Amino acid sequence: DQQVKQNSPSLSVQEGRISILNCDYTNSMFDYFLWYKKYPAEGPTFLISISSIKDKNEDGRFTVFLNKSAKHLSLHIVPSQPGDSAVYFCAASAPEKLVFGKGTKLTVNP
Amino acid sequence: DAGVIQSPRHEVTEMGQEVTLRCKPISGHNSLFWYRQTMMRGLELLIYFNNNVPIDDSGMPEDRFSAKMPNASFSTLKIQPSEPRDSAVYFCAIRTISFANGELFFGEGSRLTVL
Repeated sequence: DQQVKQNSPSLSVQEGRISILNCDYTNSMFDYFLWYKKYPAEGPTFLISISSIKDKNEDGRFTVFLNKSAKHLSLHIVPSQPGDSAVYFCAASAPEKLVFGKGTKLTVNP
Repeated sequence: DAGVIQSPRHEVTEMGQEVTLRCKPISGHNSLFWYRQTMMRGLELLIYFNNNVPIDDSGMPEDRFSAKMPNASFSTLKIQPSEPRDSAVYFCAIRTISFANGELFFGEGSRLTVL
């Protein structure tokens, strides 16, 4: 029933290594995809986005990849830092509203 | 800068009581959204407004939930009567006119605990 799925509830990586967070979606009508980051006791904040007409978007240490044929996107963080420890939500634009996944909790160990 | 003020930040109440959560957008926007976060379901959209008009309330779980937006600077989400399964963090978010592709600005949330 969930249109946006994040199948890994948690991920743990070492500082300096790459973090890869995955997201799958079912609705081919989604035209824009976003990643949000959430710290405890705060609201989610926008991190990076990608249009459905692209397959890659990069912003500093963060890169989002989109594979439309597989209905899959991923967020790469390189290098990972302890301050990146947070819950990451994948979202899809439908188009007037955003549909979110359940989130993946990333822990970056020093 | 865009911003959203939510109150209360924390609410503890007993089952059967009425709960009112408030949201004050403090800068220009054209859409306002209410989301609920739980461990089981993640971030669920409850309802959203365009220009103060409710557009889609299909995410509102039951008739016990209602939302209003009397003007561009204020919205409420009411639960009457509340139940323990309503315990969650409730977020208000706005989409500003300057962002055309769906980026939302979230408030810090209202954590509701129903005993």
